[in-house]
Amino acid sequence: DSGVTQTPKHLITATGQRVTLRCSPRSGDLSVYWYQQSLDQGLQFLIQYYNGEERAKGNILERFSAQQFPDLHSELNLSSLELGDSALYFCASSAGRQGGNEKLFFGSGTQLSVL
Amino acid sequence: DQQVKQNSPSLSVQEGRISILNCDYTNSMFDYFLWYKKYPAEGPTFLISISSIKDKNEDGRFTVFLNKSAKHLSLHIVPSQPGDSAVYFCAASYRQGAQKLVFGQGTRLTINP
Repeated sequence: DSGVTQTPKHLITATGQRVTLRCSPRSGDLSVYWYQQSLDQGLQFLIQYYNGEERAKGNILERFSAQQFPDLHSELNLSSLELGDSALYFCASSAGRQGGNEKLFFGSGTQLSVL
Repeated sequence: DQQVKQNSPSLSVQEGRISILNCDYTNSMFDYFLWYKKYPAEGPTFLISISSIKDKNEDGRFTVFLNKSAKHLSLHIVPSQPGDSAVYFCAASYRQGAQKLVFGQGTRLTINP
């Protein structure tokens, strides 16, 4: 158990809809990262938050947004969903804000299926 | 543009033998490399890392080798055990403001008894 909690584990929705993915980091970790894994693809970095502030941005679509709350949990909002958004979405956390050299702890992911 | 590439989607190895997983990268600014291991229905877990100032790092049965001139790294597992069957992701990072971690596509390793 990594200590990172993601809910829900599975989400099935229709095109055009909006969903929210939730992540609780490990106790004491200040950074939260969101990654997307599509079929046969590696993990694509979406966005990082550190202590409530956006720290780094990757290949995140404008239809997607995220935030980190004062209690450090994070939410990833996906809107106007398309079939191609179907993927496994991972949240990870780390103690500091330098995401590259730090060990990331991953949640078990949310499997999103857009029908 | 795939900056980190794992060209072998899968690898099958006999139990007790050596498993060698390979990874190539294109960005010469990468200065830190990591391997993560992923079991089904779980998130990736950190396995081993290496800084660009080194060419080898060892942790028990796992050794990572880095060849900077070839922009290539490899993970050696000796001896391979059935519990090593998983997907292995290579990742690399570089300092550009906040460091970003770039992952390869993963290699599925199967250890046969």
